Amino acid sequence: DAGITQSPRHKVTETGTPVTLRCHQTENHRYMYWYRQDPGHGLRLIHYSYGVKDTDKGEVSDGYSVSRSKTEDFLLTLESATSSQTSVYFCAISENDYDGYTFGSGTRLTVV
Amino acid sequence: KQEVTQIPAALSVPEGENLVLNCSFTDSAIYNLQWFRQDPGKGLTSLLLIQSSQREQTSGRLNASLDKSSGRSTLYIAASQPGDSATYLCAVGANNLFFGTGTRLTVIP
Repeated sequence: DAGITQSPRHKVTETGTPVTLRCHQTENHRYMYWYRQDPGHGLRLIHYSYGVKDTDKGEVSDGYSVSRSKTEDFLLTLESATSSQTSVYFCAISENDYDGYTFGSGTRLTVV
Repeated sequence: KQEVTQIPAALSVPEGENLVLNCSFTDSAIYNLQWFRQDPGKGLTSLLLIQSSQREQTSGRLNASLDKSSGRSTLYIAASQPGDSATYLCAVGANNLFFGTGTRLTVIP
């Protein structure tokens, strides 16, 4: 999607290894979000950021950490990957509470 | 915790038909309601955003309504086309969007 890119697009990793997913935006939006999408659960918020170095937990934050050292980048780290973290991860951005969200194309992560 | 439900889970219609997708939510104290479209293996595309003070929004063949008091929203698609085939997701909230599990729409040529 224009203005927001996720990397990598696909990743296979082993249980117990750390994994970092990257979200990069060129829109200079204040808010950035990480969601995971699983069958039967819809999308659920992992963490979000409301500014550089300002982050907060979402509904399913256990096992995940985030960092935002620059406006344009929001990193999601799985500290020690588990099979339950196999999912599709989406990054999203928004400028404020009353704007819509723009989503990235997603990262498909498989933990074996 | 906000619960969002979308019914039906799947819907098939012939091309040209008008259709309505439903979304209900449990907590009426919402900021916004958004409708998204998701194609298989792809990200989400925002279709319509209704702010809490609004009752409806329109974009082309799409019209979304919001009734906060009853906790319901509908997405109306006029004159459906095969290219409308996708999963439609409804989400409510602001800094934390709560999503329904979607309605998978198939428009048959």
